[in-house]
Order: sequence, then structure tokens, then C-alpha cells
Amino acid sequence: AQTVTQSQPEMSVQEAETVTLSCTYDTSESDYYLFWYKQPPSRQMILVIRQEAYKQQNATENRFSVNFQKAAKSFSLKISDSQLGDAAMYFCAYISGAGSYQLTFGKGTKLSVIP
Amino acid sequence: DSGVTQTPKHLITATGQRVTLRCSPRSGDLSVYWYQQSLDQGLQFLIQYYNGEERAKGNILERFSAQQFPDLHSELNLSSLELGDSALYFCASSASGRAFDEQFFGPGTRLTVL
Repeated sequence: AQTVTQSQPEMSVQEAETVTLSCTYDTSESDYYLFWYKQPPSRQMILVIRQEAYKQQNATENRFSVNFQKAAKSFSLKISDSQLGDAAMYFCAYISGAGSYQLTFGKGTKLSVIP
Repeated sequence: DSGVTQTPKHLITATGQRVTLRCSPRSGDLSVYWYQQSLDQGLQFLIQYYNGEERAKGNILERFSAQQFPDLHSELNLSSLELGDSALYFCASSASGRAFDEQFFGPGTRLTVL
């Protein structure tokens, strides 16, 4: 079974600074996708960024980018120019490209942004 | 607003009771997913439906069941409730249920079992 590990339960960053959230996963599959979801205090789950495992190029969405290291099974999220609205729980998630289409989530990292 | 609606927002009930949670997917989405978020278990996938048929099953208890109706809305039925079933239950929908499809999450139903 696939597992997703987020080793940082909590992190903080100064406003306008850059922060990196870590995620590692374990799988024997070659076809899969990785996601970062944000859950603000409102509890709404919001997709931040996604990455196809077969793509070597790291995904980027505005201030959010990932560092995808397939051999190391690592998928970190970098938030640049942090804003107060970035404060939330961040979940790393994995989905197999074949068979079951269920998202497997990590335990999450709580990000605080200091003004 | 993701376009996915869930009712009710909050539900308080007693142990042993049965409840039904409802989800309406985004317009045009054929696939519906149910997730449970609790403090001790985190976010767990329960079940997926695609165009009315069950497609994948996760850590769903036998006391729980779900279905997707012809109009594509879905219901999650929880019976013989226990204290440990208290959690936030999310419904998500996606266009075709493929792995890479973005899953759009609803606001969740907060279930409290007393």
C-alpha cells in the first residue's frame, strides 16, 4: 500500500519570505500523480498544485512550486513571498495512475505566517 | 466556492443512531468521492462512485454505505454510530474520475456523535 509522510507537523514563516514543506511517499508503481492541498481554517480543501510522475519538469503555480525527486520519492512544496492568506494546513497526497483512484493523504503540516 | 454542495453542515446525534449525508457534485462531474477527516486517522478515502456505479472502496466500515443516484448526487449512510465516527466528512467530485482529474471538495459535514 502507498504511504505518504509529512515529517513537519508545524512550520512558520515570516511574511514575504520563502518556506518549503516536505513530503515523502512510498510506492512501487511507476504511474502516479502527486498533489498538494491546502486546508484553511474554513476547512475547505483546495488544490494548490499537482505533478505527474512521468514529467521531469517541476510543476509551478504562481508563488507555489514543487521539487519532485522521483528516485528519492520526495515531493516538497515551496511557497515564495509568503502571504497571511497562506496560513493553513497543507496536505501532500498521492494517487495511483492505475486501478484505485483514491487519494492517499499525509498527516499534514500546519503553516503559520508571521506578519 | 468549489461548486460541490454538502448537507447538512453540522449534525449532532447519539450513539447507535443512523444518519445520511448528502452531496451534490459540480455540474457535469460524473465521479463522486467520500473522505473522512478525524484527528486520529487524518484524511481517509472511503468510497468512489462514477456515473452511478461504485468504482473504488477504501477504509469504509461495514456500518457505512453509499450510493450515487441517476441525477449524480450521492448519499453516505452511517449506521449504528459510535463515538469514534465523529469526524468531518468530505465529498469531492471530478469530471471523469481519472487519476489526474482535480477533485473539487465540498465544505464538509461535521458529524458529532454523543
